[in-house]
Amino acid sequence: DSGVTQTPKHLITATGQRVTLRCSPRSGDLSVYWYQQSLDQGLQFLIQYYNGEERAKGNILERFSAQQFPDLHSELNLSSLELGDSALYFCASSVVGDSPEAFFGQGTRLTVV
Amino acid sequence: DQQVKQNSPSLSVQEGRISILNCDYTNSMFDYFLWYKKYPAEGPTFLISISSIKDKNEDGRFTVFLNKSAKHLSLHIVPSQPGDSAVYFCAARNYGGSQGNLIFGKGTKLSVKP
Repeated sequence: DSGVTQTPKHLITATGQRVTLRCSPRSGDLSVYWYQQSLDQGLQFLIQYYNGEERAKGNILERFSAQQFPDLHSELNLSSLELGDSALYFCASSVVGDSPEAFFGQGTRLTVV
Repeated sequence: DQQVKQNSPSLSVQEGRISILNCDYTNSMFDYFLWYKKYPAEGPTFLISISSIKDKNEDGRFTVFLNKSAKHLSLHIVPSQPGDSAVYFCAARNYGGSQGNLIFGKGTKLSVKP
């Protein structure tokens, strides 16, 4: 158990809809990252938050947004969903500093039909 | 453009032998390299890392080698066990960017046969 909790585990929704994925980081970790893994692809970095503020953006679509709340949990909002958004979405957290490793949750499998 | 590349999608090894997984990168600014293991229906699990100022790091059966001049790293697993069968991701941290963001390769699926 990595200590990172993601909900829900599975989500099935229709095209055009909006969903929210939730992540609770490990106790004490201030940084939260969101990654997307599509079929046969590696993990694509979407966005990072550190202590409530956006720190870095990767390949995140404009239809996607995220935020980190004062209790450090984070939410990833995906709107106007398309079939191609079907993927595994992972959240990771880290201390941020000299230690490079990030710890991943079990992921949310999103299926857009 | 992929900054971290794992050119072998799969690797099959006999139990007890050595498994060697390879990774190439293009960005000289990466300060750390990491290996993650992933089982189906689970999140990636951190395995081992190496600083860009070192050329080797060892942890039990796992050793990572870094060749900066060739921009190449490898993970050696000795001896390989059936429980090592998983997808292995190589990752790199770009300290100059977002202070922690990892860039991943596409992974190599390792199968260890009894």
